[in-house]
Amino acid sequence: GAGVSQSPSNKVTEKGKDVELRCDPISGHTALYWYRQSLGQGLEFLIYFQGNSAPDKSGLPSDRFSAERTGGSVSTLTIQRTQQEDSAVYLCASSLFQDQPQHFGDGTRLSIL
Amino acid sequence: AQSVTQLGSHVSVSEGALVLLRCNYSSSVPPYLFWYVQYPNQGLQLLLKYTSAATLVKGINGFEAEFKKSETSFHLTKPSAHMSDAAEYFCAVSPPSASKIIFGSGTRLSIRP
Repeated sequence: GAGVSQSPSNKVTEKGKDVELRCDPISGHTALYWYRQSLGQGLEFLIYFQGNSAPDKSGLPSDRFSAERTGGSVSTLTIQRTQQEDSAVYLCASSLFQDQPQHFGDGTRLSIL
Repeated sequence: AQSVTQLGSHVSVSEGALVLLRCNYSSSVPPYLFWYVQYPNQGLQLLLKYTSAATLVKGINGFEAEFKKSETSFHLTKPSAHMSDAAEYFCAVSPPSASKIIFGSGTRLSIRP
């Protein structure tokens, strides 16, 4: 389909390991967002990419979290030295331009043992 | 700064009854406002958005919301609930020039047969 695609859909890993989560936005969308949704919580903004501008990293909870967006398309969210509190659903969204409605992927459910 | 408050983490209504999900916002500038719905194990879908045009906004699946500046509210309503409406609903606010949307903590809607 033409929606936002995230992989993997589920990831289980041991505490201390590094993980990479991938997001393929809708083709042509210039804006890309990462959010974290913890059990019973709302969405927590993590990072935002807009075209070739420097990303807004103001929501990243620690320096263990990083993200990149290659070629203005695919994005990877990396969590180093995972902790149990990192367990959550990580959602990616894209929009045609900033302040346009966001289209969400189905998320990656991350479980840290 | 912008913020959004959703009153009631869980709302239960009977099938066929009125649905009312409450959202109040805080914004220093005229905001954009959104309602998103999340079905189990899926990402978020846009229900409707307000971007300073008509104050009564109609969305998908029979939902609508009214922007009331005097009350700083953007409550979501549907005249007659259907079983398929059971989901998590998120209100969100964004200034037109902002790089990110601020989401509320969500309201889980349950429908009783």
